[in-house]
Parts: sequence; structure tokens; C-alpha cells
Amino acid sequence: DTEVTQTPKHLVMGMTNKKSLKCEQHMGHRAMYWYKQKAKKPPELMFVYSYEKLSINESVPSRFSPECPNSSLLNLHLHALQPEDSALYLCASSQGLGGAGLGELFFGEGSRLTVL
Amino acid sequence: AQTVTQSQPEMSVQEAETVTLSCTYDTSENNYYLFWYKQPPSRQMILVIRQEAYKQQNATENRFSVNFQKAAKSFSLKISDSQLGDTAMYFCAFMKHRGGSEKLVFGKGTKLTVNP
Repeated sequence: DTEVTQTPKHLVMGMTNKKSLKCEQHMGHRAMYWYKQKAKKPPELMFVYSYEKLSINESVPSRFSPECPNSSLLNLHLHALQPEDSALYLCASSQGLGGAGLGELFFGEGSRLTVL
Repeated sequence: AQTVTQSQPEMSVQEAETVTLSCTYDTSENNYYLFWYKQPPSRQMILVIRQEAYKQQNATENRFSVNFQKAAKSFSLKISDSQLGDTAMYFCAFMKHRGGSEKLVFGKGTKLTVNP
């Protein structure tokens, strides 16, 4: 199984809503990532978890709250978002920071978020 | 800070022909990794090819090969015998060779269209 599964595929929310994006992988990877991608732009790194601990936070606003309940799951909790937060949110995983397969990220198909 | 530049926003090629995508980067690091990632329309991003900077030999993966010029900080991707399924956004990416942080710096991407 070389899949990273993201749910939901599409999400529409108001600025006062609270919602969550979910990501799951069963490849035994120990690093997981959240990226934000605007249309026709490259992905921008938001967070990295390594061995279930937050290792990188790219100065993301606190209205985005990541959570890694276990090594297979990654959540992104959303609260009080702004319309400019509308984007494709990509989850990715890799074998582990500094380990074999360095830099090879396995991406999910993304969750397309629209904030009204 | 590292930067990655892809100077061709869009390219097109006829099926079965060869196309080369350009990428240049700027870094003061001596050890690093370079990647080409492919993002087909509405599908997940996947790794196409990886190059370790300390390796002089250019990486190849079937129809995909790179021309890595370390002194010139150039890393182009050649796609031979182009296929319709090669239509995608192609992102060049850079990563420092340093344990504990697996942060990819992406270029802005090149949209490749393979025409029948």
C-alpha cells in the first residue's frame, strides 16, 4: 500500500465554522507533512511531524492547528478561517527525517477547501 | 536561503518527441538533493527523479533523465518518447542534506502538455 488518503476531498466552510482535514498512511512512514497549494502555485510547507512530534511549523497562523494522534494519522483542525485560506491542502508522508528515501514524499490527492 | 527557478511556465511537446524542462537553483550548501516532482491534473504529486549533489553521474529513471551541472547550479529534466500521460505540472525541488529537517523548496513549476 503506497497510498496517502485524505478526507474529505472537498470542504466548504464559513468563517465561523470548525472543521478538520484528515490524512492517513499505512506505509510505516514516520514523517508526515501538511502543505498548502494555491492554484497554479507550488506547494507551501505548513507543518512537519517526525515520530509524532511537531518538528517544523512554518509560522502558520493559529487558526490552523495540526494534530498527529499516531504514526499513521495526521489531522489539520480549522477554525475561524479567512477566504484567502481557500486552497488545496496536501498531506504527505516520508520514511523519516534523515533516513532512507530522503526527500521522497508520498502525497495524497488533497482536500480542496473553500472558505466563504 | 535557497531558491529554485523554473523559467518556463508552460511547454508543449508532440507525443513521442523529447522535451527538456529547465531548473536552476541558488545555494551555498555543498551537500544537497534535487528532485523533480510531477503533479498530473487532479491527481497526486509523485516523485519523478532524485539526484544527490555528491554524485557526478546523472540520474535516470526509464524515459526520464537529468542533466545536473553542479558548478552552474543547473538541473534540467529530459523526457524522452513523451506520452500523453506525461501531461502535468512539473516542479523542481531542492533539499539540504541535513538530518532533522526534510524541507523541500519548490520552484514555481512548468506546465507540460503532450499533444497527440
